[in-house]
Amino acid sequence: QSALTQPASVSGSPGQSITISCTGTSSDVGSYNLVSWYQQHPGKAPKLMIYEGSKRPSGVSNRFSGSKSGNTASLTISGLQAEDEADYYCCSYAGSSTYVVFGGGTKLTVL
Amino acid sequence: QVQLVQSGSELKKPGASVKVSCKASGYTFTSYAMNWVRQAPGQGLEWMGWINTNTGNPTYAQGFTGRFVFSLDTSVSTAYLQISSLKAEDTAVYYCASLSYDSSGYFPTYDAFDIWGQGTMVTVSS
Repeated sequence: QSALTQPASVSGSPGQSITISCTGTSSDVGSYNLVSWYQQHPGKAPKLMIYEGSKRPSGVSNRFSGSKSGNTASLTISGLQAEDEADYYCCSYAGSSTYVVFGGGTKLTVL
Repeated sequence: QVQLVQSGSELKKPGASVKVSCKASGYTFTSYAMNWVRQAPGQGLEWMGWINTNTGNPTYAQGFTGRFVFSLDTSVSTAYLQISSLKAEDTAVYYCASLSYDSSGYFPTYDAFDIWGQGTMVTVSS
């Protein structure tokens, strides 16, 4: 069982928007502005999409955005494209004992 | 080009050991902390811990103490993960990933794993 809870799957049609939630606790997501999101295509390494909750690395499309409310972080993808179909993982700092926790991952299907 | 290049796939028998390498290029090796992340077949990502590339001091996540050892060879900008007494449940893809240091230079910022290796598949089977 992962420390952060994500839906197992979400789906959307091209051009639509989807949101993936990531629920933690007051010991991780709720306490730190250190949530990051990763995209992973089959057989590939994860790729950083969002860091510090809502910042995008250089080169990541502005169709990807992140937010947080309380113990839940969210990743929104707007204008869905076929290439967005992948697994998405959230990650949070969890203090100086546990350090890092990941979500269980969400499979995004573009219909 | 900033990149982490890992060693190739390994097939090991139970009880054996394996050493996975992660070679950095395109940046100063000691400017980023090196982390290790495990992904079992069909499963999610699991953080194993990190090693300070300046001091060589490792920090292991719960569940990765004892059989798992992180090490460095800074002369060749390479980090290593060694797993001893391999078990079938160690079968997984192992990734190295970098984290920036905070202003002290001794602790990661934990804000973003921004560079990842391509992964090394370790299969443990008799």
